[in-house]
Amino acid sequence: EAQVTQNPRYLITVTGKKLTVTCSQNMNHEYMSWYRQDPGLGLRQIYYSMNVEVTDKGDVPEGYKVSRKEKRNFPLILESPSPNQTSLYFCASRGNTGELFFGEGSRLTVL
Amino acid sequence: GEDVEQSLFLSVREGDSSVINCTYTDSSSTYLYWYKQEPGAGLQLLTYIFSNMDMKQDQRLTVLLNKKDKHLSLRIADTQTGDSAIYFCAYSSASKIIFGSGTRLSIRP
Repeated sequence: EAQVTQNPRYLITVTGKKLTVTCSQNMNHEYMSWYRQDPGLGLRQIYYSMNVEVTDKGDVPEGYKVSRKEKRNFPLILESPSPNQTSLYFCASRGNTGELFFGEGSRLTVL
Repeated sequence: GEDVEQSLFLSVREGDSSVINCTYTDSSSTYLYWYKQEPGAGLQLLTYIFSNMDMKQDQRLTVLLNKKDKHLSLRIADTQTGDSAIYFCAYSSASKIIFGSGTRLSIRP
């Protein structure tokens, strides 16, 4: 089954404690992307990757890092999380047909 | 700059048609999407359209694209209570994908 898998789905952490949200897709897609969703703001793009070893900033990259060492994985790294990064995070991948698949979301709370 | 605008709320009577509208600014968009999000759930892709198409129909859903006016609409025929959700419009260029803030569709009995 074609899917985008994120982990963890839920996480409560404290300010400053580094964390990684993993994202994996099984569709051999070149394009992957991370979004955060906040009430009233829709989805905002954090980072995207056009292919392996190619990443670029989206609209709200501050406080986040990503890596794309292999095609299927695109982890989101918060080196020093802060409360304003409390949000719902979505990973997505897109293939050549244009269809954009989303993961189920990761709800992060930073205390 | 890049932007997508949608109205925040829409209320329709059960059985009527719902039309959710969206305008965007980027003329280089390649694909345009409609997503549905129910409370506490993820994003469900309803349909998408390539930018060289004018219309796409899929069962109760009809997407209309007016490229000249940069206007996209989603029509849901015979709206049911299960259609109650937030609907997001989005467009993609080669690199970025920009979302609107979502339209909350509520259904009246």
